[in-house]
Amino acid sequence: GESVGLHLPTLSVQEGDNSIINCAYSNSASDYFIWYKQESGKGPQFIIDIRSNMDKRQGQRVTVLLNKTVKHLSLQIAATQPGDSAVYFCAENRSNQGAQKLVFGQGTRLTINP
Amino acid sequence: DGGITQSPKYLFRKEGQNVTLSCEQNLNHDAMYWYRQDPGQGLRLIYYSQIVNDFQKGDIAEGYSVSREKKESFPLTVTSAQKNPTAFYLCASTLRHSQLEKLFFGSGTQLSVL
Repeated sequence: GESVGLHLPTLSVQEGDNSIINCAYSNSASDYFIWYKQESGKGPQFIIDIRSNMDKRQGQRVTVLLNKTVKHLSLQIAATQPGDSAVYFCAENRSNQGAQKLVFGQGTRLTINP
Repeated sequence: DGGITQSPKYLFRKEGQNVTLSCEQNLNHDAMYWYRQDPGQGLRLIYYSQIVNDFQKGDIAEGYSVSREKKESFPLTVTSAQKNPTAFYLCASTLRHSQLEKLFFGSGTQLSVL
């Protein structure tokens, strides 16, 4: 089906803890995946991406894991800070007869407790 | 500074009125996009343009129209035919449509119905 969905709509963590945000996708032919961060009233910002030929990619305080067997993607944020509070959503790039399309998940709201 | 500018940040529409949302970019990008964002849902593609004087319908084009007379500008008109226009509208651009992993977003326009 046409859906990239998140398991949980909200996530609340203590400042300094690690956060894990999950995403399920349905199209096994998708060739890369992107995580975005969206703060209130702003446009989405690119965080990190991963190609389908990889299973892990690390950035600054963030790690994305891709499990193609179960079509699952996760974003791990280490030592969360108040500035990490935002909605996070994943997107998958689908190619169909040469045409590309990004399909976005609904988002997970991450709240950091002091 | 290079970037994408959307205006206005807030817009109100009266019954039966057409309104136009502005999107300008100085990134020298060929491809531009309009997405609609509703609470709890992923971004949905309204229209996109791969090059000047050309544009294609996205998944939810009904009730919307666009033009691409200049490379820098991709205005979106929400017509009276769009019966549920209240949403957050996001404009985005990338160097080429084949490079969706490098999509840059504007800061959005919140459209509400009076």
